[in-house]
Amino acid sequence: AQSVTQLDSQVPVFEEAPVELRCNYSSSVSVYLFWYVQYPNQGLQLLLKYLSGSTLVESINGFEAEFNKSQTSFHLRKPSVHISDTAEYFCAVGGGSNYKLTFGKGTLLTVNP
Amino acid sequence: DTAVSQTPKYLVTQMGNDKSIKCEQNLGHDTMYWYKQDSKKFLKIMFSYNNKELIINETVPNRFSPKSPDKAHLNLHINSLELGDSAVYFCASSQAPGSSYEQYFGPGTRLTVT
Repeated sequence: AQSVTQLDSQVPVFEEAPVELRCNYSSSVSVYLFWYVQYPNQGLQLLLKYLSGSTLVESINGFEAEFNKSQTSFHLRKPSVHISDTAEYFCAVGGGSNYKLTFGKGTLLTVNP
Repeated sequence: DTAVSQTPKYLVTQMGNDKSIKCEQNLGHDTMYWYKQDSKKFLKIMFSYNNKELIINETVPNRFSPKSPDKAHLNLHINSLELGDSAVYFCASSQAPGSSYEQYFGPGTRLTVT
């Protein structure tokens, strides 16, 4: 079985400040890890993913996440956030012969002016 | 062009009624999913079809029945609606089964049972 823990349900930050959204996972097989973002009243969209290879993965809008196998973590970071980054962020884990993704409970990032 | 579309966007109905939600994807994907997102934003997989074959069937009440007439469509029928069924239901699709593939989500259907 796989599980995901997102340690913070809400993260308020000021514009242009750095942010880290934390994600820890549990799995008995090798993992695929994802961050999805959900803007208000919309569906989820993929932000970035780790399947294999380089443990540091980046998105086109400045987010990055690092796969840390020893700490079973996949934290999401951005050095300087914008108001438009306000959204719910979901960490998800898959892997092995598993067809499904298991999602965390989400972290609401609120960027204030 | 909308990649994954759902109808209706909002659905308000009374307890005991039967309702359906429709989903269509124009991405040429083989695999489609239904998720339920509760009021606390927790997202849980319900069903998945690959080329019209059921491959994920999570523990959900028998009142929920998915139907896939072809690989571009996955509908969700709910019988005897209950208050606890109120949630946002998301359809998603991916190129193939397997959790390494990116899932593309529809805009959601907000179901309110009164």
